[in-house]
Amino acid sequence: DQQVKQNSPSLSVQEGRISILNCDYTNSMFDYFLWYKKYPAEGPTFLISISSIKDKNEDGRFTVFLNKSAKHLSLHIVPSQPGDSAVYFCAASSSGGGADGLTFGKGTHLIIQP
Amino acid sequence: SAVISQKPSRDICQRGTSLTIQCQVDSQVTMMFWYRQQPGQSLTLIATANQGSEATYESGFVIDKFPISRPNLTFSTLTVSNMSPEDSSIYLCSVRGGFNEQYFGPGTRLTVT
Repeated sequence: DQQVKQNSPSLSVQEGRISILNCDYTNSMFDYFLWYKKYPAEGPTFLISISSIKDKNEDGRFTVFLNKSAKHLSLHIVPSQPGDSAVYFCAASSSGGGADGLTFGKGTHLIIQP
Repeated sequence: SAVISQKPSRDICQRGTSLTIQCQVDSQVTMMFWYRQQPGQSLTLIATANQGSEATYESGFVIDKFPISRPNLTFSTLTVSNMSPEDSSIYLCSVRGGFNEQYFGPGTRLTVT
């Protein structure tokens, strides 16, 4: 039973436009959410996170939005650049991300078109 | 963020054999985690390894199959025992960062034939 779901296996966006990656979760105990980026043959790279006490967190071109009532979060990348082409994983934790491991979605392959 | 290295980066092994994967961190960390990513799947937590105590395994993973060592605060090993083709995966170690994020090593790609 997938507790973290990324329903879009792939997403194609034109360079310069906004990329929106979505993630849904089912476990109400999750209180900390993270986004990771992964290139082939590399480990996941941490991008941005958000605590459940917030509904938005911004870091440069990356913004994460959290809708707790809908159990939904999204990652916005503006503007999208060719180097953003990668697989993006949504992850969640029920202990503030500290003591426990993370529960991951299956990932969304983002392709930035020139 | 911590710099994490893993050895080997990849290996092809025969069924029934065992492989030990090493994870080295450039700073002392209390908690290390081991994950598996099977083809087309998400990353799945195998176990949490604290220095000085037994590893804590997630449901579906057992110590006899995936023994873990944590001899000090910068190093850990994961052994995949009595391998079968279903063990073909990418195995990753991670450590906790300063603000509850986790940092990952580059992974070990294992193919079992």
